[in-house]
Amino acid sequence: IAGITQAPTSQILAAGRRMTLRCTQDMRHNAMYWYRQDLGLGLRLIHYSNTAGTTGKGEVPDGYSVSRANTDDFPLTLASAVPSQTSVYFCASSDYSGQGASGYTFGSGTRLTVV
Amino acid sequence: GQNIDQPTEMTATEGAIVQINCTYQTSGFNGLFWYQQHAGEAPTFLSYNVLDGLEEKGRFSSFLSRSKGYSYLLLKELQMKDSASYLCAVRDKDYQLIWGAGTKLIIKP
Repeated sequence: IAGITQAPTSQILAAGRRMTLRCTQDMRHNAMYWYRQDLGLGLRLIHYSNTAGTTGKGEVPDGYSVSRANTDDFPLTLASAVPSQTSVYFCASSDYSGQGASGYTFGSGTRLTVV
Repeated sequence: GQNIDQPTEMTATEGAIVQINCTYQTSGFNGLFWYQQHAGEAPTFLSYNVLDGLEEKGRFSSFLSRSKGYSYLLLKELQMKDSASYLCAVRDKDYQLIWGAGTKLIIKP
């Protein structure tokens, strides 16, 4: 592993089903983030975690939950998927709760289609 | 509210120079980032400005004016591989990144 790994790469999901998107980083970054990216809207923050054991809500948290049991893993769960959650999901991480000059490192994304 | 504005799309010619502008209104300011995102890929870090002025990195330069809430990304000697979306993001007083919707840059031969 080098950087951030997301799984699955893509998924078609029936509405009402539960789904967990996985995110693992090997850079020992303190902070991790989940974004969704929709055409014309840019990146929108769903949830974040500044350090293991803590999480916070972003701009669009409804319908999603996260956990941060350790430094490396930050899974995103859709409890009951709806078509409006069709999007590309990016996991990202950063040093020092995002205060550094290096910005965020992104995973390769998960393309989710809810039908 | 917080807002980042950038043009939706720009077109330029291979070998030329293009300037992508970004204006912002945020709750506090702790740095501005530019990212490049090729279609179907993740964003990758290009530049960071926290003080006024120009930061140069090879063919790419980024400028910041905090008093005007303005930045631009300057791309010189454009190559076809520069066709991508360019995202402007500002870190606010809570150290959260606020993202613009991105500028799609199309390079023509």
